[in-house]
Amino acid sequence: GAGVSQSPSNKVTEKGKDVELRCDPISGHTALYWYRQSLGQGLEFLIYFQGNSAPDKSGLPSDRFSAERTGGSVSTLTIQRTQQEDSAVYLCASSLVGGGAAGELFFGEGSRLTVL
Amino acid sequence: AQRVTQPEKLLSVFKGAPVELKCNYSYSGSPELFWYVQYSRQRLQLLLRHISRESIKGFTADLNKGETSFHLKKPFAQEEDSAMYYCALRRGTASKLTFGTGTRLQVTL
Repeated sequence: GAGVSQSPSNKVTEKGKDVELRCDPISGHTALYWYRQSLGQGLEFLIYFQGNSAPDKSGLPSDRFSAERTGGSVSTLTIQRTQQEDSAVYLCASSLVGGGAAGELFFGEGSRLTVL
Repeated sequence: AQRVTQPEKLLSVFKGAPVELKCNYSYSGSPELFWYVQYSRQRLQLLLRHISRESIKGFTADLNKGETSFHLKKPFAQEEDSAMYYCALRRGTASKLTFGTGTRLQVTL
């Protein structure tokens, strides 16, 4: 595709349920990032993939959060036993190897998660 | 640890007035600094990066290592500049981008 694609665009779930958010990066981009965007909190880093490995997962807020990437392409962010404080927009971005000299990240439109 | 601080949540200016969006960072090494912008109903996108020393849409930003700042400036604000602006820092080419909390710029007539 032309850009980073994320699905679903909107997800409403009940507290305690599990959710999966998907990110399809730009073809050829080996680096993939997940961020969380909350009101007043800015962009909170969650995890960074280089290929299929995650050299930096320091931003995952708890063990309820996990992410994987397969085939160096699609990534899935899973939140188990969702809590109301998990409500946010989850953004995915991709870039060339580590961003390269240009350092440009290309963002998706985000997945808005609402936990009731 | 690296940190990016944007002290203003909202900056409101009149059309034609100068704009300065503040960004300060803390990092002991030599960082790479960026400004990203999100217009209404659009994706977050790169505006400019310090290594390019470029002017994009009339905006410039100079890295001041002494003051650890990377403020975004434009001499004359336009209505279409209204957006959310994020300052970001990266330690090296293969690491995460750390964002500030963002500043909403509102340009009014």
